[in-house]
Amino acid sequence: NAGVTQTPKFQVLKTGQSMTLQCAQDMNHEYMSWYRQDPGMGLRLIHYSVGAGITDQGEVPNGYNVSRSTTEDFPLRLLSAAPSQTSVYFCASKPFGTAYNSPLHFGNGTRLTVT
Amino acid sequence: QQQVKQSPQSLIVQKGGISIINCAYENTAFDYFPWYQQFPGKGPALLIAIRPDVSEKKEGRFTISFNKSAKQFSLHIMDSQPGDSATYFCAASEGSNYQLIWGAGTKLIIKP
Repeated sequence: NAGVTQTPKFQVLKTGQSMTLQCAQDMNHEYMSWYRQDPGMGLRLIHYSVGAGITDQGEVPNGYNVSRSTTEDFPLRLLSAAPSQTSVYFCASKPFGTAYNSPLHFGNGTRLTVT
Repeated sequence: QQQVKQSPQSLIVQKGGISIINCAYENTAFDYFPWYQQFPGKGPALLIAIRPDVSEKKEGRFTISFNKSAKQFSLHIMDSQPGDSATYFCAASEGSNYQLIWGAGTKLIIKP
């Protein structure tokens, strides 16, 4: 069982370039989300989805787009990369329901550097 | 109101000692308090969680202590081992709201 798979593991972009971070899960989880992790700032929610065709903004959505065409996949698009988007990005999923009954399952992250 | 404040930012403990990480919150509607453990190069994973109807929950060497009146909860790691070296995040959520509010994280180093 692969769980949550993120690709690529590492990426370097130049300012202004665009790219898509991939996230796929094989647990049939309804809920999927993207976080960024920066030193001393914990995990900040970028976007999330509670099912195919449904997405919503989190705490720090600016500069990022998402779509959810299938239950399994939840890609994160950077439209025009900026140095402030240098971070480690995590995708996480869970079965739909209250937080207590269904913990988040995280991928192993994508380390993005924007120069 | 929505913040979860975690301390310390980093912690060094000798092998066999007790590691203690603290978190404080303001929103009295929070009713779920998990701790996640993250090893380098990996995503966080749920370690242990508590509901406010109990004051303590223990799983092996890991214990959550919860003080509802003080709006604080803490993670205690007994007999700390080098394999416990990781970053620990506390978090909180409210009722049917599945979004977690995260602490800033504590980098724990256990010295052999």
